[in-house]
Amino acid sequence: EVQLVESGGGLVQPGGTLRISCAASGFSFSNYWMYWVRQAPGQGPVWVSRITPDGSDTRYADSVTGRFTISRDNAKNTLYLQMHSLRADDTAIYYCLRLAPVPSWGQGTLVTVSS
Amino acid sequence: VMTQTPPSLSVTPGQPASISCKSSQSLLYSDGKTYLSWYLQKSGQPPQLLIYEVSNRFAGVPDRFSGSGSGTDFTLKISRVEAEDVGIYYCMQNVGLPLTFGGGTKVEIK
Repeated sequence: EVQLVESGGGLVQPGGTLRISCAASGFSFSNYWMYWVRQAPGQGPVWVSRITPDGSDTRYADSVTGRFTISRDNAKNTLYLQMHSLRADDTAIYYCLRLAPVPSWGQGTLVTVSS
Repeated sequence: VMTQTPPSLSVTPGQPASISCKSSQSLLYSDGKTYLSWYLQKSGQPPQLLIYEVSNRFAGVPDRFSGSGSGTDFTLKISRVEAEDVGIYYCMQNVGLPLTFGGGTKVEIK
């Protein structure tokens, strides 16, 4: 069974830094493209970032380009999102996703940016 | 852009419901598959997969849920709405980046 478990969320001050993680199990993690999607309170989901299986290619939404970095450690079956210069509008639940062959979502981790 | 309608639905239990999702571009990929999925998000929970690749029901999803469509126009149908079906329904395309979602349809029971 595919399992994606996010962790590392919390309260951070504006301008601060946070790294969230997604532990994957139940599948060959190193073979799959992985994604981060976030959902602000009361809003719909929004795509944040994507990484290829070997980590060589990454893409970002315009709103996070230059501030967020997606990465992965295939030996640890773990996906990461390093977030810098956090703003209030980055407050959201962050989900990691595998989309093929069947979409799978984690339970999410809440990131709150507030002073 | 994914345009989802209606934004809300109030349905009598046992009655059908239908949600539309229209894409600004074809969701048919070069591998012959169409990457459109449907989710239900219940209060306080992550989105749960109902349908993937237009019409494939995910394991454990009741057969009262069905998906149809092609190209740019898609529909989720619930043949007989039950109380447990309340929540917000989203369509999502993953034919390319950025992944995009419909604006959501809030379903409530009359």
